[in-house]
Amino acid sequence: TQLLEQSPQFLSIQEGENLTVYCNSSSVFSSLQWYRQEPGEGPVLLVTVVTGGEVKKLKRLTFQFGDARKDSSLHITAAQPGDTGLYLCAVNYPSGGGADGLTFGKGTHLIIQP
Amino acid sequence: GAGVSQSPSNKVTEKGKDVELRCDPISGHTALYWYRQSLGQGLEFLIYFQGNSAPDKSGLPSDRFSAERTGGSVSTLTIQRTQQEDSAVYLCASSLWGEDTEAFFGQGTRLTVV
Repeated sequence: TQLLEQSPQFLSIQEGENLTVYCNSSSVFSSLQWYRQEPGEGPVLLVTVVTGGEVKKLKRLTFQFGDARKDSSLHITAAQPGDTGLYLCAVNYPSGGGADGLTFGKGTHLIIQP
Repeated sequence: GAGVSQSPSNKVTEKGKDVELRCDPISGHTALYWYRQSLGQGLEFLIYFQGNSAPDKSGLPSDRFSAERTGGSVSTLTIQRTQQEDSAVYLCASSLWGEDTEAFFGQGTRLTVV
């Protein structure tokens, strides 16, 4: 059983469209991170959400942490080809201190076509 | 450099040979992580270090895999008697210790076993 379930696994849309990707779990987390990975590169942190119900905006990207701190969503408005990449959510176990390592979901492969 | 450095960037090896992958973390980062990423897949957690200690080695795929870290800095991941299924990109990340800290990734070592 995957600790983190990400959906959809693949998404290909036209430039200018909006999209939402999801990260879900049956476990409660104290915080959750979203990373973006481009081909040939390592993942890069986009945002950390720590409070249930929290919403953070990063330009055209809106991140939300569920009220119960079990799920999160990433919404992109007016997608651009530069948004293409693998979007990964990640958590540490509630035991904290990174004791069990930063665990990633399998990611959403996003392609924005011009 | 200021980032996480991994070497080699590419490695082609014959089945049955041993390989050693190196990771130079960001100076001062006490946490160091190794992940494996197969083509088009998410990140598979292998092992993490807090300083020189690896509390949990259960993420390593088999006893052919081992990792060490010395001086709280450089880490090496060794794969003995490589198999074709070991082919993947091996990513290293480092961070300060704590739940919400950002993990900084290297560009990875692409291992191909032929």
